[in-house]
Amino acid sequence: NAGVTQTPKFQVLKTGQSMTLQCAQDMNHNSMYWYRQDPGMGLRLIYYSASEGTTDKGEVPNGYNVSRLNKREFSLRLESAAPSQTSVYFCASSESTVPGGYTFGSGTRLTVV
Amino acid sequence: AQSVTQLGSHVSVSEGALVLLRCNYSSSVPPYLFWYVQYPNQGLQLLLKYTSAATLVKGINGFEAEFKKSETSFHLTKPSAHMSDAAEYFCAVWKAAGNKLTFGGGTRVLVKP
Repeated sequence: NAGVTQTPKFQVLKTGQSMTLQCAQDMNHNSMYWYRQDPGMGLRLIYYSASEGTTDKGEVPNGYNVSRLNKREFSLRLESAAPSQTSVYFCASSESTVPGGYTFGSGTRLTVV
Repeated sequence: AQSVTQLGSHVSVSEGALVLLRCNYSSSVPPYLFWYVQYPNQGLQLLLKYTSAATLVKGINGFEAEFKKSETSFHLTKPSAHMSDAAEYFCAVWKAAGNKLTFGGGTRVLVKP
């Protein structure tokens, strides 16, 4: 099925470890996004890529880096994980000409101990 | 800055009863507004969107929302709740710059038999 694929689905890290969350979409969308979801806070934008070759900070970028590898793939990296980064991470993509019409991945549940 | 506020983090309704989820927005320009639904352990799915056409917007699964400029509201309703409506619902506002969505805190709906 067409859509947004995130890997891994679950991950446990120790404080200070690094990891990369992968995201790929097969809908030829220009824009891609990384959000984190925490109870009572909705989804908060970490980074986004409005088009291939560009990336920009969102609301909560500290402690994260991103790479738009090509039009399909947008990865999120935690260089030195902290317990405050325990969250559910969602990747999404959108055609830039369709306001707000995001397609979301199924999420990565990350626990930092 | 554009933002949305959802009133009530949890709502409990009986099967067959009216579902009403409240969302108020702040925006200096006519907004594009959205409702998304998240079923357990899944990503978000688009329920409906307002893009300045008709003020009453119909979505999937029998949901609808009415845009009221005078009240800066975009409340979501469904006349008769079904057990399958148990989920978390998010209101969101779209910003053209970067094609970004800003989400409210979410409202979790519990449906009682």
